[in-house]
Amino acid sequence: EPEVTQTPSHQVTQMGQEVILRCVPISNHLYFYWYRQILGQKVEFLVSFYNNEISEKSEIFDDQFSVERPDGSNFTLKIRSTKLEDSAMYFCASRNQRNSPLHFGNGTRLTVT
Amino acid sequence: AQTVTQSQPEMSVQEAETVTLSCTYDTSESNYYLFWYKQPPSRQMILVIRQEAYKQQNATENRFSVNFQKAAKSFSLKISDSQLGDTAMYFCAFGVDAGNMLTFGGGTRLMVKP
Repeated sequence: EPEVTQTPSHQVTQMGQEVILRCVPISNHLYFYWYRQILGQKVEFLVSFYNNEISEKSEIFDDQFSVERPDGSNFTLKIRSTKLEDSAMYFCASRNQRNSPLHFGNGTRLTVT
Repeated sequence: AQTVTQSQPEMSVQEAETVTLSCTYDTSESNYYLFWYKQPPSRQMILVIRQEAYKQQNATENRFSVNFQKAAKSFSLKISDSQLGDTAMYFCAFGVDAGNMLTFGGGTRLMVKP
C-alpha cells in the first residue's frame, strides 16, 4: 500500500536556524497538509495546500512558516528561524479527493536546542 | 470553533476483552465527519474508523465500532477482542469536511495486557 514518507525522522537544530522538513505524499494525491504535535499535547492543524497554494492555515502558521511543492513530488515545510517552542512532532498528510480520509506520514521529530 | 474532548487519558484492557474509549465534541455545524486515529509507538497516525454525521448507522471496521450519538455529541470507539497490537494512543478527531482541517482530542493511551 502506498505511504506518505517523511524525512528525516528526527532533526535537531539550534534556535534561530532554518529547518526544512520534507514529505513525499502518495503519488496521486492532490491535497497536502502539515500537522504538529507538541510532546504530550494535541495534534494541531498547521496548513493545507491544494493546487499549488495554501487553502487554509491556522494561527500557529505565522510568517516563520512556509510550505512549498517544489517538484511535483515533494512537499516541504520550512521554519525560517526556529524557536524552542517549535520542538514537536511534525506530521505530513495527503489525500486524493476532498472527502477522502487523510493518510499520515510517520512524522519528523524536531528538537530545537 | 470546534472542540474535541477525550476524558480518559489512559486505559487498560486484558487481551481478548472489550474496551470503549470516549469522545465528546462541540460544534454548531450540522454536517461533519468524525474519526478515530491510532498512533502506535511507531508514531504513524493510522485511520481506524470514520463516521459521517448525516449517516445514522454506526460505522464498523472488523473489531472496531463506534457509538455515534449526534444529539449528545458523543462518538465512542469500541474495540472488541482486544489484541496486543492494539496498544497505542487513540485520537478522536472532528472535521467539517473529511479532513481539510481536523480538530483532534487530547488522546487516550490504551494498553492491552496479556
